Amino acid sequence: GENVEQHPSTLSVQEGDSAVIKCTYSDSASNYFPWYKQELGKGPQLIIDIRSNVGEKKDQRIAVTLNKTAKHFSLHITETQPEDSAVYFCAAMRGSGGYQKVTFGTGTKLQVIP
Amino acid sequence: EAGVAQSPRYKIIEKRQSVAFWCNPISGHATLYWYQQILGQGPKLLIQFQNNGVVDDSQLPKDRFSAERLKGVDSTLKIQPAKLEDSAVYLCASTFGQPLAAEQYFGPGTRLTVT
Repeated sequence: GENVEQHPSTLSVQEGDSAVIKCTYSDSASNYFPWYKQELGKGPQLIIDIRSNVGEKKDQRIAVTLNKTAKHFSLHITETQPEDSAVYFCAAMRGSGGYQKVTFGTGTKLQVIP
Repeated sequence: EAGVAQSPRYKIIEKRQSVAFWCNPISGHATLYWYQQILGQGPKLLIQFQNNGVVDDSQLPKDRFSAERLKGVDSTLKIQPAKLEDSAVYLCASTFGQPLAAEQYFGPGTRLTVT
């Protein structure tokens, strides 16, 4: 089955700096890669996603890059703000055989220091 | 658009007792997921429904966990009997469905503590 590794497990940055979180996946059939932000006491919320036919996607301060050959994808947050502090999860998903298979990474706790 | 609803939000039970969680997905979403999230870990898929049929329950401990999705809408997840290691947050998510893999919308979760 799919295996998704996520690094680092914790990340502390100064406000205004950039943060990068990396994930690798094993199933070459995976074709959808979402990133979720989970705040304390809440369910994960999608912040950005990318499909396998695209190499990069950007939404304001957040960007995701995908390298299909190396089977890894990364989340980039620029100009970090205290409200970016949360746990971030990557996931790899593929739709096949009539349903979608999804595997989550282990999470990265991001702390933005004011 | 209303989000995914879950209840209860918190539950404390003793080991060997039973417990049930309820989920109401976003209207029109055909696919429903139940996840177990142990503190400090990523969500682990327990069971996935497509309409009212099970498409993946390979990681569901079937000796104690059961789930159903009547009429392809609401779903309940039951644990009987509970063990200490079942302490976790149980997340429900839904997605529109096929054919492309798509965004999942998560509910707030139910935090279960087994003592």
